[in-house]
Amino acid sequence: EAGVTQSPTHLIKTRGQQATLRCSPISGHTSVYWYQQALGLGLQFLLWYDEGEERNRGNFPPRFSGRQFPNYSSELNVNALELEDSALYLCASRALSGQEYNEQFFGPGTRLTVL
Amino acid sequence: EDQVTQSPEALRLQEGESSSLNCSYTVSGLRGLFWYRQDPGKGPEFLFTLYSAGEEKEKERLKATLTKKESFLHITAPKPEDSATYLCAVYPSGGGSEKLVFGKGTKLTVNP
Repeated sequence: EAGVTQSPTHLIKTRGQQATLRCSPISGHTSVYWYQQALGLGLQFLLWYDEGEERNRGNFPPRFSGRQFPNYSSELNVNALELEDSALYLCASRALSGQEYNEQFFGPGTRLTVL
Repeated sequence: EDQVTQSPEALRLQEGESSSLNCSYTVSGLRGLFWYRQDPGKGPEFLFTLYSAGEEKEKERLKATLTKKESFLHITAPKPEDSATYLCAVYPSGGGSEKLVFGKGTKLTVNP
């Protein structure tokens, strides 16, 4: 079974530009989560999508946004890039099950560097 | 505020030297505790889910246990390939929020 995939692997942008990151969940998973992992910091929750709707967002400015497509893949957009946006962006997916709070499975991440 | 604290921040072991990593959490109602392994520059790899105090899970050289306030990841006779950062995470209290709250991790180095 294929895991969570993310593209691109690396992305280099300059300050003020926009970045688009993509994620495909595990087949059958409807929930997609985005996390930011900056150097020296832990994973910080960004966004949660389920069934095409944004369900929750973390403490990040509105220039971080995204969407989920009918096939449950997702896109994270970061506008007006700032130097401190440089981080590893991780996507995770989760299957609905009888146990509501079950595990999330992570992709390999996209390394975003802002110059 | 929901919080996850992991200790130690870093741990160096000799191959075969068993030890334990600690994860203490502060949530008003635990909805699940998760252990992940993360290699440098890669995404976290799922290891275990624990839901109830007293629960234990095992996988190869790893064993995770859960009490009402903390979880331990026991590593028995580690090998160099066990070197990684081990992350602990919980679902916070409060309805409708399914984000994971992560600790900062324990970086484990196993020397041959």
